[in-house]
Amino acid sequence: AQTVTQSQPEMSVQEAETVTLSCTYDTSESDYYLFWYKQPPSRQMILVIRQEAYKQQNATENRFSVNFQKAAKSFSLKISDSQLGDAAMYFCAYRTLTAYSGGGADGLTFGKGTHLIIQP
Amino acid sequence: DSGVTQTPKHLITATGQRVTLRCSPRSGDLSVYWYQQSLDQGLQFLIQYYNGEERAKGNILERFSAQQFPDLHSELNLSSLELGDSALYFCASSVDWREADTQYFGPGTRLTVL
Repeated sequence: AQTVTQSQPEMSVQEAETVTLSCTYDTSESDYYLFWYKQPPSRQMILVIRQEAYKQQNATENRFSVNFQKAAKSFSLKISDSQLGDAAMYFCAYRTLTAYSGGGADGLTFGKGTHLIIQP
Repeated sequence: DSGVTQTPKHLITATGQRVTLRCSPRSGDLSVYWYQQSLDQGLQFLIQYYNGEERAKGNILERFSAQQFPDLHSELNLSSLELGDSALYFCASSVDWREADTQYFGPGTRLTVL
């Protein structure tokens, strides 16, 4: 079974600064998808960014980018120019590609989350 | 707003009872997923339906069951409730069941078992 580990329960950053959230995962598969979701105090789960494992290029969405290191099984999220609205829980998630075969769970496997605090 | 709706927003009930949570996916989405978020277990995948058929199971207890109806809305039934079932239950939907499809989450139903 796949596991996702977020080793930073909490991170704090000054507004306008850059912060990096860490995520590592364990899998024996070679093809899969990785995601970062944001959960603000409203509890709504919001997709931030996703990465296909077969793509070497790191995904970028505006101020959000990832550093995907497939060999190291690492998938960190970098937030540039942090804003107060970025304050939230951030969850790293993994999704298997083996869904086509009908085997195994087809949902997302989440890490425990990192609570991001933005200092004004 | 993701376009996924869940009712009710909050539910308070007693141990041993049975409840039903409802989810309406985004327009055009055929796949529905259920997740449980609790302090102890974090976010866990429970079950997935695609176009009315069960597609995959995660860590769903035998006391829990789900179904997806012809109009594509889904219900999650929780029975013989225990204190530990208190959690936030999310529904998510996607166009298809393939791994490439982004799952859009609803606002969740907060269940409190007393």
